[in-house]
Amino acid sequence: QQQVKQSPQSLIVQKGGISIINCAYENTAFDYFPWYQQFPGKGPALLIAIRPDVSEKKEGRFTISFNKSAKQFSLHIMDSQPGDSATYFCAASKVGNNDMRFGAGTRLTVKP
Amino acid sequence: DAGVTQSPTHLIKTRGQQVTLRCSPKSGHDTVSWYQQALGQGPQFIFQYYEEEERQRGNFPDRFSGHQFPNYSSELNVNALLLGDSALYLCASSGPGLAPSGEFFGPGTRLTVL
Repeated sequence: QQQVKQSPQSLIVQKGGISIINCAYENTAFDYFPWYQQFPGKGPALLIAIRPDVSEKKEGRFTISFNKSAKQFSLHIMDSQPGDSATYFCAASKVGNNDMRFGAGTRLTVKP
Repeated sequence: DAGVTQSPTHLIKTRGQQVTLRCSPKSGHDTVSWYQQALGQGPQFIFQYYEEEERQRGNFPDRFSGHQFPNYSSELNVNALLLGDSALYLCASSGPGLAPSGEFFGPGTRLTVL
């Protein structure tokens, strides 16, 4: 079922550093690629999303880089803070098809 | 705005029982999707309801069924519970109308099957 592969499984970064999480997808019909942040005991929260017509999207400290030919996309968290410590999920779907496919998640720990 | 709300927060059932989970969408949203999130995994799409009809379904057996009410709230029913049904069940709302399903998630219902 899983069509989105996410790495790494866990990541430890020092405060102020850059966190990078990578995802690869298989289905070339996907045209919507969101990233979610999930804290323990909470549901996922939409962080940032990108469509394949652009190669990069930035919102504050969060940037998505998208490589359509390689079928890969990544999340960069600049100036990582301890409050960013959470599990991050990438996902992919086709607009109009709501069967959103999620990666397995990356547990990010930002050390002070 | 309370966002997406779900009830109950936690639930413990035994194998073979039936369970009903409830979801109220964010104000202004008319589409509700349900996801199952096993421990340590990403959510998996169960189905989506719009205009009181199941519009799309993921790879889940018929033991999983749902309903949407005229006020857009929704229920997820699971029959003949199995140990493997233990998971966090998430509701996501979107809309109005056609929109990616994962814009707003609720906090989830933690189901434990013993």
